[in-house]
Amino acid sequence: KAGVTQTPRYLIKTRGQQVTLSCSPISGHRSVSWYQQTPGQGLQFLFEYFSETQRNKGNFPGRFSGRQFSNSRSEMNVSTLELGDSALYLCASSSPTSLLAGGDNEQFFGPGTRLTVL
Amino acid sequence: SQQGEEDPQALSIQEGENATMNCSYKTSINNLQWYRQNSGRGLVHLILIRSNEREKHSGRLRVTLDTSKKSSSLLITASRAADTASYFCATQLNSGNTPLVFGKGTRLSVIA
Repeated sequence: KAGVTQTPRYLIKTRGQQVTLSCSPISGHRSVSWYQQTPGQGLQFLFEYFSETQRNKGNFPGRFSGRQFSNSRSEMNVSTLELGDSALYLCASSSPTSLLAGGDNEQFFGPGTRLTVL
Repeated sequence: SQQGEEDPQALSIQEGENATMNCSYKTSINNLQWYRQNSGRGLVHLILIRSNEREKHSGRLRVTLDTSKKSSSLLITASRAADTASYFCATQLNSGNTPLVFGKGTRLSVIA
């Protein structure tokens, strides 16, 4: 199976702009989670989508949003970019079988999108 | 906020030596997972240990879990230069769809 893919891999934006990142999960995986990774804060959970619905949400401002399509592909959007939004944004997908059975949430990560805000 | 805290923050060893990393967490968990991240790339799942397990092995990896102390350790035996990476513990508080909470990681350098 192909792994989780993320596009673009690198992005440079200026303050005030908005950005959209894309994630394609492993075939058959219906849960997609997004994380922000910075040197100072580490890996922080943004949100999780399952069957086109946001199921969990981290503690981020409303400028961060996401959605999931019927084919499980997901996008996240950051509006009004700030310098502090510079980070590696990671997407991860999970197997629906384990989650629906109340099982373990093992995540399969993509390579990430490196966002730089100038 | 981070649930898990890894210790040490950085570790440098010679090839062939064993590397031990520790993770402490604050609340009761369903399971604890270890991930590896090569520089600036995605994370790779290494091993998962459930709250009712005390030890698990996978190849050169050995993970222990002490729920009474709310701590876990990851041992990599006979380390190789290719093991150079950051290692993160992640906790899942409940079963099912609860998100993982990651620590800040241990940076391991294996010198050939």
